[in-house]
Amino acid sequence: QVQLVQSGAEVKKPGASVKVSCKASGYTFTAYFIHWVRQAPGQGLEWMGWINPNSGGTNYAQKFQDRVTLTRDTAISTASMELRRLTSDDTAVYYCARDADSGYSGYEDYWGQGTLVTVSS
Amino acid sequence: DIVLTQSPGTLSLSPGERATLSCRASQSVSSSYFAWYQQKPGQAPRLLIYGASSRATGIPDRFSGSGSGTDFTLTISRLEPEDFAVYYCQQYGSSPSFGQGTKVEIK
Repeated sequence: QVQLVQSGAEVKKPGASVKVSCKASGYTFTAYFIHWVRQAPGQGLEWMGWINPNSGGTNYAQKFQDRVTLTRDTAISTASMELRRLTSDDTAVYYCARDADSGYSGYEDYWGQGTLVTVSS
Repeated sequence: DIVLTQSPGTLSLSPGERATLSCRASQSVSSSYFAWYQQKPGQAPRLLIYGASSRATGIPDRFSGSGSGTDFTLTISRLEPEDFAVYYCQQYGSSPSFGQGTKVEIK
């Protein structure tokens, strides 16, 4: 069965960086884009970007363009999201999610369990 | 960027009632690129509807989606106890975005 298992919770200080990983199993990792979506406490969903695990190509939301980097390691079927220059506004649960179609569709059918990133001095 | 506005913010209904959730886009969205998700506390979102009206795998037929252009609707024909949750709309063009959510709560 398709599974996306994310790394554990992180606590970071303002100005630091965080890297969250997402290990995929149960399907061909390179066949489906991976999206990253975050959710601040008590707030809605915010799309951050996607990565094509096959080519490594990426597309970032304009809001995060200069602070986020999405990468992948095909040898271990893992996608990662690094966010730099953290502020308290970045405190959120970060989700990875698989695109629903091989190739690209834009919507997500399987989601990771979420990783809580807390930014606090 | 396309902004999605959901209404109402909260819907208070009883089990067995019909729920109608709305989502309005700031500019026209292709029906092919519109989805709805359900999220329960402490859980990841769950895909319900894609392509504005197609149910995802395993989604009961009491959930239906409709709409085009800038106005889209999610209808739950008869609320079951497990349907009380927050629902998000999403457009997934070149730069996807989500609405702010509608909470369906027990009256």
